[in-house]
Amino acid sequence: EAEVAQSPRYKITEKSQAVAFWCDPISGHATLYWYRQILGQGPELLVQFQDESVVDDSQLPKDRFSAERLKGVDSTLKIQPAELGDSAMYLCASSGQQNTGELFFGEGSRLTVL
Amino acid sequence: AQSVSQHNHHVILSEAASLELGCNYSYGGTVNLFWYVQYPGQHLQLLLKYFSGDPLVKGIKGFEAEFIKSKFSFNLRKPSVQWSDTAEYFCAVTLGPDSSASKIIFGSGTRLSIRP
Repeated sequence: EAEVAQSPRYKITEKSQAVAFWCDPISGHATLYWYRQILGQGPELLVQFQDESVVDDSQLPKDRFSAERLKGVDSTLKIQPAELGDSAMYLCASSGQQNTGELFFGEGSRLTVL
Repeated sequence: AQSVSQHNHHVILSEAASLELGCNYSYGGTVNLFWYVQYPGQHLQLLLKYFSGDPLVKGIKGFEAEFIKSKFSFNLRKPSVQWSDTAEYFCAVTLGPDSSASKIIFGSGTRLSIRP
């Protein structure tokens, strides 16, 4: 079964450092999402791509977060500089149909900022 | 703004008990509704979905959910739970095809613990 690949699975960094997460969606899925999930809460959408274009980044803290999907396939989410409050699970998901909500999630990247 | 509420933060049941997890959303238009499940150590996966038609939908592993439009609810049910149902359950809503919005909103989740 095709899966969404994410790396790294775990990342520990000190505050003010830069971190980057990578996601490779299921082949052929045009829509890609980055979510942040804080312990005890539901996933919160950070950014949504349709192919290489950003569809929604209204909740992305743009002063420190950036996301790109240059060729419309894999994607990178960057945080610079990291802050203590950024400690969370960063989830990538993909969908074959925009806006239907049927998402396929990766295992996630757990970030701990010290 | 649209929102999804899951009022039960943690539910503890014994095996064979019946389950109902509440989900309410706030949006007056057409919606698509989902329940996702996250088993310990695994990624989120779709449990069931409602787009249109019969408001009682059946998903995997014996789960079902009923869409009650007048109550803005989409509660998840299972007549007899098993220990393997221990997981976190998330309700999610996305606006239907008559809307230009694209955001998919998740509830805060309900942790289900089943006592063997």
